[in-house]
Amino acid sequence: GNSVTQMEGPVTLSEEAFLTINCTYTATGYPSLFWYVQYPGEGLQLLLKATKADDKGSNKGFEATYRKETTSFHLEKGSVQVSDSAVYFCALSGGSEKLVFGKGTKLTVNP
Amino acid sequence: KAGVTQTPRYLIKTRGQQVTLSCSPISGHRSVSWYQQTPGQGLQFLFEYFSETQRNKGNFPGRFSGRQFSNSRSEMNVSTLELGDSALYLCASRRDRGGPDTQYFGPGTRLTVL
Repeated sequence: GNSVTQMEGPVTLSEEAFLTINCTYTATGYPSLFWYVQYPGEGLQLLLKATKADDKGSNKGFEATYRKETTSFHLEKGSVQVSDSAVYFCALSGGSEKLVFGKGTKLTVNP
Repeated sequence: KAGVTQTPRYLIKTRGQQVTLSCSPISGHRSVSWYQQTPGQGLQFLFEYFSETQRNKGNFPGRFSGRQFSNSRSEMNVSTLELGDSALYLCASRRDRGGPDTQYFGPGTRLTVL
């Protein structure tokens, strides 16, 4: 079945540091890929998405590129802020449209 | 446009009781899905409803059930609650008009079973 593997956390960075959170997937066909973010005490917010190979999703300075050859969708941001502290989830949606999530990566950004 | 709303936000129940959670999707969205989030198992898919019919179901026991109304609002019910049912229950809606689609999540209902 479909699955998502993302790097274990927690990740602690200083403000303005570069962020990478790795995400790889296993899926049949051509899934859509997503990054969701969850702030403390809240639900999930869509951060960015990509629906086909080589698409780049971007939002709020975050980027991720759908790499079919490496089955990856790594999340990057050039300069993180304290307000980016949250849990980040990589997810995929195959033909059934249900979302399959990674286990989440907790990011803490210190001033 | 209003987002996905879920009520109640917090619930405390005891073992053996049953509970009903409610979800109102974004206006115009026809599909509603439910997910359970726990520290141990992460985010797991419960079921999806479209046009008042369950279209997809995850690997949960029959104690977990749901329904969808003609206005796309959805409820999920958990009967004979167990301690392990303590979790954040998230509802998500999407347009579902064919092709790749995005699910938008509500804030969740935090269920605590004592």
